[in-house]
Amino acid sequence: NAGVTQTPKFRILKIGQSMTLQCTQDMNHNYMYWYRQDPGMGLKLIYYSVGAGITDKGEVPNGYNVSRSTTEDFPLRLELAAPSQTSVYFCASKGLAGNSYNEQFFGPGTRLTVL
Amino acid sequence: DQQVKQNSPSLSVQEGRISILNCDYTNSMFDYFLWYKKYPAEGPTFLISISSIKDKNEDGRFTVFLNKSAKHLSLHIVPSQPGDSAVYFCAASEQTGANNLFFGTGTRLTVIP
Repeated sequence: NAGVTQTPKFRILKIGQSMTLQCTQDMNHNYMYWYRQDPGMGLKLIYYSVGAGITDKGEVPNGYNVSRSTTEDFPLRLELAAPSQTSVYFCASKGLAGNSYNEQFFGPGTRLTVL
Repeated sequence: DQQVKQNSPSLSVQEGRISILNCDYTNSMFDYFLWYKKYPAEGPTFLISISSIKDKNEDGRFTVFLNKSAKHLSLHIVPSQPGDSAVYFCAASEQTGANNLFFGTGTRLTVIP
């Protein structure tokens, strides 16, 4: 099991460019999440999905979009990159009943810089 | 509005001694609490959790204590080892819906050999 994988690891964008952060999990988890972590801060939830075709907003959804066409994949789209979106992005997944209730498994992160 | 707070950004402890990391929360609807450990350039990894029906949960060297009346939890690491040096995040959720996690800002633990 690769667990949760994210690509790319690093990316530099210019203001106004768009990109998609990829996230894939091979644990057949229903729940998937996108977080961002700013320097010195905790993780904040951007969007989440409870299953294929179902997504919902988290704490900080503005400037992002998501889709969930399969159980495995949960891409995060930035349409018009802004410097405020410079952050480290983490994808996570969770099954309906894990070893520990509510335990989310995290990917290694994507470090994004917008200049 | 930060619903989960870790007021100590950093903590240094001698190897073999006890490390105590603290966390406070404001939302009384939270009923499940987790600690995650994070190394640089990696994603957070789950460490230990506790349900609100308990006041203590132990797993090897790690023990989490929950004081619901004070809305406070703590993570004890005994004995501390140099490999424990990392950033520790406290997280909380309600046991409903997607169980979205709310994270604290983290405490950087350094265990000195």
